[in-house]
Amino acid sequence: GAVVSQHPSRVICKSGTSVKIECRSLDFQATTMFWYRQFPKQSLMLMATSNEGSKATYEQGVEKDKFLINHASLTLSTLTVTSAHPEDSSFYICSAPRPSGSYEQYFGPGTRLTVT
Amino acid sequence: QKEVEQDPGPLSVPEGAIVSLNCTYSNSAFQYFMWYRQYSRKGPELLMYTYSSGNKEDGRFTAQVDKSSKYISLFIRDSQPSDSATYLCAMSAWNAGNMLTFGGGTRLMVKP
Repeated sequence: GAVVSQHPSRVICKSGTSVKIECRSLDFQATTMFWYRQFPKQSLMLMATSNEGSKATYEQGVEKDKFLINHASLTLSTLTVTSAHPEDSSFYICSAPRPSGSYEQYFGPGTRLTVT
Repeated sequence: QKEVEQDPGPLSVPEGAIVSLNCTYSNSAFQYFMWYRQYSRKGPELLMYTYSSGNKEDGRFTAQVDKSSKYISLFIRDSQPSDSATYLCAMSAWNAGNMLTFGGGTRLMVKP
């Protein structure tokens, strides 16, 4: 079964509005989670590392004021796309490392965002 | 040059064929190597995970890592139409804090 969930799975919003995406680890705690975006037929691009109890670490070129990340608890990280524009339309995926200490990661099912 | 290179395909094979998927990389610090399968509009799911060089087999899947050549492979035996998906290689360095670097993905189509 799924070990990382995302909500919503699909969302359509109007330009200028904000959208919140939730990522939850099920039955395990994750002090770190990762947020990726994926354009059609392209690979996953890491946007930021979400850290429980501290600020997120953003990759170069990712606007931290536009993509707000909050690691509210050991099982929940949220990504808020603020003042969304059509170019923000993409597939957003989160992941959490397997608790065993290995380098494996569990991925969520993804959230498809469409900004009209 | 990207850190991880992967032929985007598409790769089209008949059912039952042996499939070979490959990635090359440039960062010698990578020690953890993974293959993920991603169906359309879904999140990636882990297929194989290997540490350092060597082979690992799991059912119809075999992963190979050649660190001296900076080359990894995933073989799929007796391929099935349900194997049709995009396959992503991913790697991590020992000091990367679980951060993965992905290849661009290879789209595989297995035709009945």
